[in-house]
Amino acid sequence: ETGVTQTPRHLVMGMTNKKSLKCEQHLGHNAMYWYKQSAKKPLELMFVYSLEERVENNSVPSRFSPECPNSSHLFLHLHTLQPEDSALYLCASSHDPLTDTQYFGPGTRLTVL
Amino acid sequence: GENVEQHPSTLSVQEGDSAVIKCTYSDSASNYFPWYKQELGKGPQLIIDIRSNVGEKKDQRIAVTLNKTAKHFSLHITETQPEDSAVYFCAATIRPANNLFFGTGTRLTVIP
Repeated sequence: ETGVTQTPRHLVMGMTNKKSLKCEQHLGHNAMYWYKQSAKKPLELMFVYSLEERVENNSVPSRFSPECPNSSHLFLHLHTLQPEDSALYLCASSHDPLTDTQYFGPGTRLTVL
Repeated sequence: GENVEQHPSTLSVQEGDSAVIKCTYSDSASNYFPWYKQELGKGPQLIIDIRSNVGEKKDQRIAVTLNKTAKHFSLHITETQPEDSAVYFCAATIRPANNLFFGTGTRLTVIP
């Protein structure tokens, strides 16, 4: 176990649904990340939070909305998704947002029907 | 931005043989190159990394080499074991920054 947990592990939703992904880190880290992992494509960084403030947003569609209420928790709120949003969503954390190793959670497998 | 290419996409080796995975990067300013291993149902885990001021780094059966002139770096696994079977990702970034640019992954299968 890496100390980063994600729930749920699997999620199936319709295009009109609203759902949320949750990530929790038990490592005392200060930075958290959301990545999207699609088949045969590189991992794509979506959002970076440092000390609960968003520091990077890599042009992600507004149907993905992150929330970081404290340094241990990170959410990804989903609404009106498209089938092409189906992917594995990975959360990661690091002690320092600029220089430290990122530790990944197991991911949430999302399927949009 | 940085573009990382990774080859091969799949690799099968006999147990005990060596495996080599290669990556190239486009931005000569990149200075940090981690390698991640992703097992089925798990997130990627860092297995080794190298900084641009070093040409080679070794950790037991795993080694990474870096050629800054050619802008490529490689992962070498010796004496492979079935538990080495996984998907391996290379990445590159310019420190200080933590926006990792990943390759597309190599699925390694070690045949007992």
